[in-house]
Amino acid sequence: GENVEQHPSTLSVQEGDSAVIKCTYSDSASNYFPWYKQELGKRPQLIIDIRSNVGEKKDQRIAVTLNKTAKHFSLHITETQPEDSAVYFCAATVANAGGTSYGKLTFGQGTILTVHP
Amino acid sequence: NAGVTQTPKFQVLKTGQSMTLQCAQDMNHNSMYWYRQDPGMGLRLIYYSASEGTTDKGEVPNGYNVSRLNKREFSLRLESAAPSQTSVYFCASRRRADTQYFGPGTRLTVL
Repeated sequence: GENVEQHPSTLSVQEGDSAVIKCTYSDSASNYFPWYKQELGKRPQLIIDIRSNVGEKKDQRIAVTLNKTAKHFSLHITETQPEDSAVYFCAATVANAGGTSYGKLTFGQGTILTVHP
Repeated sequence: NAGVTQTPKFQVLKTGQSMTLQCAQDMNHNSMYWYRQDPGMGLRLIYYSASEGTTDKGEVPNGYNVSRLNKREFSLRLESAAPSQTSVYFCASRRRADTQYFGPGTRLTVL
C-alpha cells in the first residue's frame, strides 16, 4: 500500500519568513495530494490540493509543487504569520477520473509549524 | 448545513466496556470514513464506506466494527475497549474524487 513520509516533524520560523514542508510517497499510481491544516484541538481542514496532471498550484500565500518522477510534493507558505502556526499534514490517494476510487487517504506524520512574531 | 457532526465529543471508558461513536453528514456525500489520530502518527484509516450499504477495512481495523446506517450516518463501534484505543477519532465524508471533510472529532480515553 501507499506510504507517505513527511519532513520536517517540527519547523520554527520568524514572522515574514517562508516555510517549506516536504512529503514523499511510494505508490506511483497516487494522483491526488491534499494538504490539511490542523489547529490545536480542531479538525483537519483542507488548505490546498494538487492533482498529478499539474506541477504547481498557488492560492495567495500558499503553493504546492509536485514532482511525479521523484514522487515528492511540497507545501510552500510565504510571508508567514503567527496564525499560520498549526500542524500541517500531507496526504496521497488514487482518485481516478471516473471518481470510482474510494478516496482512501494515506497521511504523513505531520509537521508542527511555529511562527514567531 | 452542519457539515459533518460527531457525538460524543469526549468519552472515558474502562477496559472491556463497549461504545458506539456516531457520525452524520448533511452534504449528500456518498463516501464516509473513520480515522484515528495518535501523537506523531498522523491520521490512520480504520474503516470506510464507499457508498450506502458497503463498508471495508482500512489500515487499522482490528478492535472496531462499523455500520453505514443510511447515506447520512456512519457509526464506529468498540466492542471491548482497550487502552491502546485511546485516541482522537475523526469521521470524514467525501464528494466523488474530491476533498474529504472532517468532523470535529471524539476524544476517547480508555482506562
